[in-house]
Amino acid sequence: SQKIEQNSEALNIQEGKTATLTCNYTNYSPAYLQWYRQDPGRGPVFLLLIRENEKEKRKERLKVTFDTTLKQSLFHITASQPADSATYLCALGGDSNYQLIWGAGTKLIIKP
Amino acid sequence: DADVTQTPRNRITKTGKRIMLECSQTKGHDRMYWYRQDPGLGLRLIYYSFDVKDINKGEISDGYSVSRQAQAKFSLSLESAIPNQTALYFCATSDRTTSGSRSEQFFGPGTRLTVL
Repeated sequence: SQKIEQNSEALNIQEGKTATLTCNYTNYSPAYLQWYRQDPGRGPVFLLLIRENEKEKRKERLKVTFDTTLKQSLFHITASQPADSATYLCALGGDSNYQLIWGAGTKLIIKP
Repeated sequence: DADVTQTPRNRITKTGKRIMLECSQTKGHDRMYWYRQDPGLGLRLIYYSFDVKDINKGEISDGYSVSRQAQAKFSLSLESAIPNQTALYFCATSDRTTSGSRSEQFFGPGTRLTVL
């Protein structure tokens, strides 16, 4: 069955450093991958989308890579700030399947 | 005002009761979704609707039903609630785009449901 893995343990990063989160998947060939941020008590908020034919996508301090050979996406936050502390979710989708498959998320803690 | 609203935000009920969760959106999107979120698990799709007359089962539809009353309203019902339906429920919307299903989803604030 299709499976997405994100680090279940919280990631602790010192303010100002780059935070890197991982999303691995198996038994699936997604057409695209999305990253969302979720704060406690709130719904997820869309951050970035990367397509299967794109290697890298950037938005301000955020960078996403997508390696379909390794079946992995990396999500980077450069110059991290305490306000970046949240849970980050990845979700995979296919062109012919309207359903997104979601990872459980990784909790990121940026320490001052 | 929030673009996607959910009511109630919190609900405690007993086994066997019928519960309805409501979702409204002002984004003008055609597509609406209901998910549940459990600790340690990814969001799981319960039902989705691409317009008022188009409703589809998701991954975990058993024990749930939905109604799309209008483009802006999509409600989720638990006909006879059971304890393992205790979870955080999210409504989401997305736009119909020329790129098919790749558009981002916009989520409501969630409903925390506890079934005793």
